[in-house]
Amino acid sequence: DQQVKQNSPSLSVQEGRISILNCDYTNSMFDYFLWYKKYPAEGPTFLISISSIKDKNEDGRFTVFLNKSAKHLSLHIVPSQPGDSAVYFCAASARNTGNQFYFGTGTSLTVIP
Amino acid sequence: KAGVTQTPRYLIKTRGQQVTLSCSPISGHRSVSWYQQTPGQGLQFLFEYFSETQRNKGNFPGRFSGRQFSNSRSEMNVSTLELGDSALYLCASSLVPSNEKLFFGSGTQLSVL
Repeated sequence: DQQVKQNSPSLSVQEGRISILNCDYTNSMFDYFLWYKKYPAEGPTFLISISSIKDKNEDGRFTVFLNKSAKHLSLHIVPSQPGDSAVYFCAASARNTGNQFYFGTGTSLTVIP
Repeated sequence: KAGVTQTPRYLIKTRGQQVTLSCSPISGHRSVSWYQQTPGQGLQFLFEYFSETQRNKGNFPGRFSGRQFSNSRSEMNVSTLELGDSALYLCASSLVPSNEKLFFGSGTQLSVL
């Protein structure tokens, strides 16, 4: 039962344009959402997060949007750079469940120079 | 500050064998969790340890077990290996159990033949 879904396995974007990665979830108890970035042969690294009390969080070129009514979040990268090419995972967790995160299956982003 | 260290980096085993993977968290981090990553399944939560106690367990069979030592280092064990256990096993640490960001190691790639 996949509680967090990333329906696009891959995405290609031209350098300098916007990359939009999407994520859907089913559990209304989730109250914290994160995006991780993963390069081959490395572990995931934290990118950005958002609490359910917010609908937007921005960090430099990265912005995460949360639509609780639609149970949807998205990651915007502007402008996209070749170094952003990686697999992006979204993850969700519920309060008081410690480090039990539910991850999506990932979206492989390729930024074309 | 050193990151999360996982050993070994690669392992090849045959069906029916058992395997032990090791994880050293970031210094000062007392919570350790384990995840399994397989193609098409994303990261799946195995278990979480804090102060040498298992706090939470994912939906995996009893062949998967773990423990944490007084220095916060953790091991996970898989007995009676099956072909489907082939995966990247990731360890992550945080200061305390929380539903905020995790710091991941590079993982142990286990191949079961």
